[in-house]
Amino acid sequence: NAGVTQTPKFRVLKTGQSMTLLCAQDMNHEYMYWYRQDPGMGLRLIHYSVGEGTTAKGEVPDGYNVSRLKKQNFLLGLESAAPSQTSVYFCASSLYSGGTNTGELFFGEGSRLTVL
Amino acid sequence: AQSVTQLDSQVPVFEEAPVELRCNYSSSVSVYLFWYVQYPNQGLQLLLKYLSGSTLVESINGFEAEFNKSQTSFHLRKPSVHISDTAEYFCAVSGGAGGTSYGKLTFGQGTILTVHP
Repeated sequence: NAGVTQTPKFRVLKTGQSMTLLCAQDMNHEYMYWYRQDPGMGLRLIHYSVGEGTTAKGEVPDGYNVSRLKKQNFLLGLESAAPSQTSVYFCASSLYSGGTNTGELFFGEGSRLTVL
Repeated sequence: AQSVTQLDSQVPVFEEAPVELRCNYSSSVSVYLFWYVQYPNQGLQLLLKYLSGSTLVESINGFEAEFNKSQTSFHLRKPSVHISDTAEYFCAVSGGAGGTSYGKLTFGQGTILTVHP
């Protein structure tokens, strides 16, 4: 009963380093999302994907890149980490059915990233 | 563009007391509305949702929310809270039927509910 799995769960980077967060879902969902959570700001959408091979920008895409080479995986990359990217990152997926996507999301447990 | 405002950042309450967490939204299109709950060090879980039909929706653990279109609100209520309800609650909105939101959610800032014994 895995659902949405994120790796790693914790990571500390130095400014300028790069890293990739991996999200895997086993529910055969079409749509996947990356959000970041910061205190007092709720969750903000970074990038999303509506299917294998597709990606699109969300509300706060700068400094991040994503890829969806396989339907079940959605990768979030930081090419040159900055302290402003210190945050908790959540991956989510949702099902497309009946001609619409209702926005009911299934979330992973989060990845806590600290950039020094 | 859509936006969501949760009017209280923190709500302390005693066990068995009633609670209301307030949520207002703005949108130029019809919407779907959600409440998500986040327990410490966990991801978000869906608590309840309004898609269409009855404006009063309920969760399995006693929470309810009412969609009020005229006041653009979706407040969350529970008549008697438990210690285990301590968590952060997020109100969220997505574009409704006919929209092209691709399920993207706009979240409020969150309300931390703390239930004291």
